[in-house]
Amino acid sequence: AQSVAQPEDQVNVAEGNPLTVKCTYSVSGNPYLFWYVQYPNRGLQFLLKYITGDNLVKGSYGFEAEFNKSQTSFHLKKPSALVSDSALYFCAVRDATSGTYKYIFGTGTRLKVLA
Amino acid sequence: AAGVIQSPRHLIKEKRETATLKCYPIPRHDTVYWYQQGPGQDPQFLISFYEKMQSDKGSIPDRFSAQQFSDYHSELNMSSLELGDSALYFCASSSRDRGTYNEQFFGPGTRLTVL
Repeated sequence: AQSVAQPEDQVNVAEGNPLTVKCTYSVSGNPYLFWYVQYPNRGLQFLLKYITGDNLVKGSYGFEAEFNKSQTSFHLKKPSALVSDSALYFCAVRDATSGTYKYIFGTGTRLKVLA
Repeated sequence: AAGVIQSPRHLIKEKRETATLKCYPIPRHDTVYWYQQGPGQDPQFLISFYEKMQSDKGSIPDRFSAQQFSDYHSELNMSSLELGDSALYFCASSSRDRGTYNEQFFGPGTRLTVL
């Protein structure tokens, strides 16, 4: 069965400091991994994805994520946080070899960037 | 760029009533997904359609049904509404024919409140 874990309900970081939002996954086949951001009363906005290739993927708004197969992790990172990055972040996985296209989401991590 | 359109954005219903949520995917997208996000919860996959045929089924209650029409828009029909159905319902679309790993694009959601 597929699953995604986001171990931190909330992450606080000072503006200008680097941020990391953690995600680990479990799938029986090859994972396709995604990060989405949700602002209050808004839909989910796509940030970045890992399909294959380079383990470090770059996405929107200066975010990047590193795929680590041995640790089954896909942590979201940004070198310098902005107050406007404060939002709810979801990691999602799709099992590429299962024949299914649905996403399994993590429970979300609320990022709070302090001025 | 055109995005996923959902209507209505807000809906208030009484217990045991019915509701219909509509989703208009991004033009030329062939796959539609429905997710339910309860308060403080992660999005849970309900059902998806590819080329007007059901492709995946998740935790959709028997009281709910959905379909995708010839113009690719989709409707989620909910009957015998319960208080626990109060949630944010997201529709997402993707283009499967362009590649099997394209990300899903989410609409703004329909907030359903059951009184």
